[in-house]
Amino acid sequence: AQSVAQPEDQVNVAEGNPLTVKCTYSVSGNPYLFWYVQYPNRGLQFLLKYITGDNLVKGSYGFEAEFNKSQTSFHLKKPSALVSDSALYFCAVRDHNQGGKLIFGQGTELSVKP
Amino acid sequence: DAGVIQSPRHEVTEMGQEVTLRCKPISGHDYLFWYRQTMMRGLELLIYFNNNVPIDDSGMPEDRFSAKMPNASFSTLKIQPSEPRDSAVYFCASTKGDRRPDTQYFGPGTRLTVL
Repeated sequence: AQSVAQPEDQVNVAEGNPLTVKCTYSVSGNPYLFWYVQYPNRGLQFLLKYITGDNLVKGSYGFEAEFNKSQTSFHLKKPSALVSDSALYFCAVRDHNQGGKLIFGQGTELSVKP
Repeated sequence: DAGVIQSPRHEVTEMGQEVTLRCKPISGHDYLFWYRQTMMRGLELLIYFNNNVPIDDSGMPEDRFSAKMPNASFSTLKIQPSEPRDSAVYFCASTKGDRRPDTQYFGPGTRLTVL
């Protein structure tokens, strides 16, 4: 079965420091991977996706993610964190075997302190 | 485009009452998804439609839950009768795709509280 895992429930970073939110996946076939962000009392917002091609994917708000096939990972990164980046982040994989629906991770709470 | 529209944004009801949540997808999108989010269970897919037809309803928790999509611009999720454990935030999302759904766009959610 297709799945994603976000091993950290919470990540704490100081403003201005680089941040990484981890995601690993398990899929059969080529992975289609996504990152979403959820701000308090809001719906999920699409950040970026990997379908094929360059392993480094750039997305919204200065975020990027690195696809690593050998480690089956798709970590979200940002060179310099902002307090406004504090939110809940979800990694997701498209399940090719079940009509293409998304399988979401449990989410990682990112807290950026001034 | 206004994005995915959900109503109401907040709903408080008493146990046993019928609850209807509404969703208007982004124009031109042919996939529509209903999710439920709780602290305990995270984000769960309840059901999704393609071209107004339900494709996968395996996530619908029980017969008290039903969903319809009478046309391309409107869907409802109904809970009858409602129970306190149904309290959650319910999201609708839409996308378009060629045989497979692409990036999903989420609505703001409906926060349901069942007393």
